[in-house]
Amino acid sequence: GESVGLHLPTLSVQEGDNSIINCAYSNSASDYFIWYKQESGKGPQFIIDIRSNMDKRQGQRVTVLLNKTVKHLSLQIAATQPGDSAVYFCAETYTNAGKSTFGDGTTLTVKP
Amino acid sequence: DGGITQSPKYLFRKEGQNVTLSCEQNLNHDAMYWYRQDPGQGLRLIYYSQIVNDFQKGDIAEGYSVSREKKESFPLTVTSAQKNPTAFYLCASSIGGYAYGYTFGSGTRLTVV
Repeated sequence: GESVGLHLPTLSVQEGDNSIINCAYSNSASDYFIWYKQESGKGPQFIIDIRSNMDKRQGQRVTVLLNKTVKHLSLQIAATQPGDSAVYFCAETYTNAGKSTFGDGTTLTVKP
Repeated sequence: DGGITQSPKYLFRKEGQNVTLSCEQNLNHDAMYWYRQDPGQGLRLIYYSQIVNDFQKGDIAEGYSVSREKKESFPLTVTSAQKNPTAFYLCASSIGGYAYGYTFGSGTRLTVV
């Protein structure tokens, strides 16, 4: 069935460094992808999305890269700050799916 | 401010009891969703609804029930048939269609005592 997997369950970086969080997806029919950030005890928040007709999309300090050939998605966070510490999930969906499938998440810890 | 509200934030249930978790949104979103999150794990879909008076089972619907009588509301009942209900429950909504992200509520933490 569908699944979205993340390469690393945890990631620790120094404040100011760049972070890269990876996600592998298995459904080749998926054509819309989203990254969410979840802080402790809260609901996930939308960070950035990308459609399958794009390879890269940039936001404020974040960039999402999509490699459809190997079904891989990544989230890059520039100049990581303590406030970026959270769990990051990728999610995938496709036309008429009616719902998204979430990966297991990567816990990002930013060391001062 | 538009948003999605879940209540209560914390809920304690005795074994054998049914409990209902509330989810209300004023975003005028067509679609609503319930996810379950266990410690250190991802989100698993319980039920979703793309339109009023219609809903579909997700991956882990057993032991849960929902209704969608109003566009704004999508309550989730955790029944006594759910053998391991202790978890963090998240409600979400979206505009509808597939290429839109979700807006999540702040969650309800349910504990069986």
